[in-house]
Amino acid sequence: GESVGLHLPTLSVQEGDNSIINCAYSNSASDYFIWYKQESGKGPQFIIDIRSNMDKRQGQRVTVLLNKTVKHLSLQIAATQPGDSAVYFCAESMEYGNKLVFGAGTILRVKS
Amino acid sequence: KAGVTQTPRYLIKTRGQQVTLSCSPISGHRSVSWYQQTPGQGLQFLFEYFSETQRNKGNFPGRFSGRQFSNSRSEMNVSTLELGDSALYLCASSLAPVEGTEAFFGQGTRLTVV
Repeated sequence: GESVGLHLPTLSVQEGDNSIINCAYSNSASDYFIWYKQESGKGPQFIIDIRSNMDKRQGQRVTVLLNKTVKHLSLQIAATQPGDSAVYFCAESMEYGNKLVFGAGTILRVKS
Repeated sequence: KAGVTQTPRYLIKTRGQQVTLSCSPISGHRSVSWYQQTPGQGLQFLFEYFSETQRNKGNFPGRFSGRQFSNSRSEMNVSTLELGDSALYLCASSLAPVEGTEAFFGQGTRLTVV
């Protein structure tokens, strides 16, 4: 398959701190990127997206940064809360349509 | 409005059998995509349907197939099940198969092959 999900890295943060989750994408031709959050027993939930003509996009408590030079994407979560604990995936949109290629994912654990 | 509905939520099948999974998209959404999620391979794209036509297909064997009905509901079928087909199968719906259109995922169907 195209997506390789092997050993998930884990990020542990203290409640109230900021979190930064990183992702390396594979195709320099991709021009649309999305971050998803997946809680146990649920499907992925859209967090924020960004197009390749942008470097940064902000949402509510979240910011996505895109570095096309090194094909790197990051998700910053401000004032992390226990409800933010989940697995976070980056995804890139390739080709026409909604074919998404997902990264391996990062587990975020928030300590109270 | 109701989200993406996948049925059944859980399924146990025996090797060699076949299985059909169902997905009802959000009302008004006409594009449906299917993904397989396993601990070893992560989330992998299976196929995408729009207007009853398969628009895109991932790298899966021909045992995996799907279809979409005129009401946008979709089914996927796996024939001759193998142990490695055990996975969470996720369906995502969006308004149209246009890049940048937000995809909404269902809770998935957990398939266990024994």
